[in-house]
Amino acid sequence: IAGITQAPTSQILAAGRRMTLRCTQDMRHNAMYWYRQDLGLGLRLIHYSNTAGTTGKGEVPDGYSVSRANTDDFPLTLASAVPSQTSVYFCASSDSVGTDTQYFGPGTRLTVL
Amino acid sequence: GQNIDQPTEMTATEGAIVQINCTYQTSGFNGLFWYQQHAGEAPTFLSYNVLDGLEEKGRFSSFLSRSKGYSYLLLKELQMKDSASYLCAVRDSNYQLIWGAGTKLIIKP
Repeated sequence: IAGITQAPTSQILAAGRRMTLRCTQDMRHNAMYWYRQDLGLGLRLIHYSNTAGTTGKGEVPDGYSVSRANTDDFPLTLASAVPSQTSVYFCASSDSVGTDTQYFGPGTRLTVL
Repeated sequence: GQNIDQPTEMTATEGAIVQINCTYQTSGFNGLFWYQQHAGEAPTFLSYNVLDGLEEKGRFSSFLSRSKGYSYLLLKELQMKDSASYLCAVRDSNYQLIWGAGTKLIIKP
């Protein structure tokens, strides 16, 4: 079934540890995005990639890095996790054609202690 | 700054009609989206408006007035499964989505 997968589903992490959240899509979409969702706030864009080999910073990029080595994969890395990065992380993709609707993965719930 | 405003929470009765409003102030406008998000799940696409007027899709309709910076999502014949959060998002001049905090809709029998 076509779509976006994310791993892990949830994770508890000690502050200062490095963590990579994985995202894979099989829809051959050009654009991919990472958001965080916190209670009472709208989704906030962390990083995005318009096509393989390119990435850009969103609204809240500090403390996060991404890479886009191929069309399908868009991992998000926290180099040294802090408690304020406790959140639900969603990966999304879009085909950059027409309405450019974004389709979301199931999310990763991350807790940093 | 950029801002999307939606009511935090609304309550409606099964079988009734509810209108969820969204007002926005963004740097540029390249379309408005409505998404539905059930608790603990991912947002799923509902509708897209880029021109003024009403877009109807089954029980759901979405309206846009660009001059007023205003949209609404209309849900008819409410069902219990419609209990969810409804997210309004505007694509700005950089083609990035700016999201509202969402409206939690509670449906009562």
